[in-house]
Amino acid sequence: DQQVKQNSPSLSVQEGRISILNCDYTNSMFDYFLWYKKYPAEGPTFLISISSIKDKNEDGRFTVFLNKSAKHLSLHIVPSQPGDSAVYFCAASPPYWGGGSNYKLTFGKGTLLTVNP
Amino acid sequence: EAGVVQSPRYKIIEKKQPVAFWCNPISGHNTLYWYLQNLGQGPELLIRYENEEAVDDSQLPKDRFSAERLKGVDSTLKIQPAELGDSAVYLCASSLDRLGEQYFGPGTRLTVT
Repeated sequence: DQQVKQNSPSLSVQEGRISILNCDYTNSMFDYFLWYKKYPAEGPTFLISISSIKDKNEDGRFTVFLNKSAKHLSLHIVPSQPGDSAVYFCAASPPYWGGGSNYKLTFGKGTLLTVNP
Repeated sequence: EAGVVQSPRYKIIEKKQPVAFWCNPISGHNTLYWYLQNLGQGPELLIRYENEEAVDDSQLPKDRFSAERLKGVDSTLKIQPAELGDSAVYLCASSLDRLGEQYFGPGTRLTVT
């Protein structure tokens, strides 16, 4: 049972255009969401995150939007650059209930973004 | 600052053989994670350490997998005996504390033949 779903295995966009990567989750306990970027033969690298108390977080060209009622988040990259070509993973975590071992990232399967020059 | 170091980067073994992976986290990071990443999937947590203590090993197949983090720094993950289905990338990550951003190493790609 996939609790974090990235339904698009791949996405191709033109350089300079907007890239929109989507992610859906099913577990209502998730309250912290992250996006990771992964290049071939490297480990995932943290990109941006959002807490459930917010609906938008922006960092330069990257913006993450969260729609809690729809259990949906998206990553917008504007403008897209060829160097953005990578696999993007959406991840989610439940809240940390102080002292427990509940802090755990659940990852989606990833979306391969290709930005064409 | 050096990142998370893992070795070996690649390993090919025959089934039923033992194998071990080593991870050196970022200096000062108290929390260490081992993840399994199958082809076409996202990373899945196997075990999380806070210092020397394994605080979450619920996803570790304990019949054949074992891990240790002596002295709360380096960690090893062992599989004995390996099975064909263990072919995957094994990722190590570390963070300052249990809530900190996780930094991943490059992973060890295991192929079991």
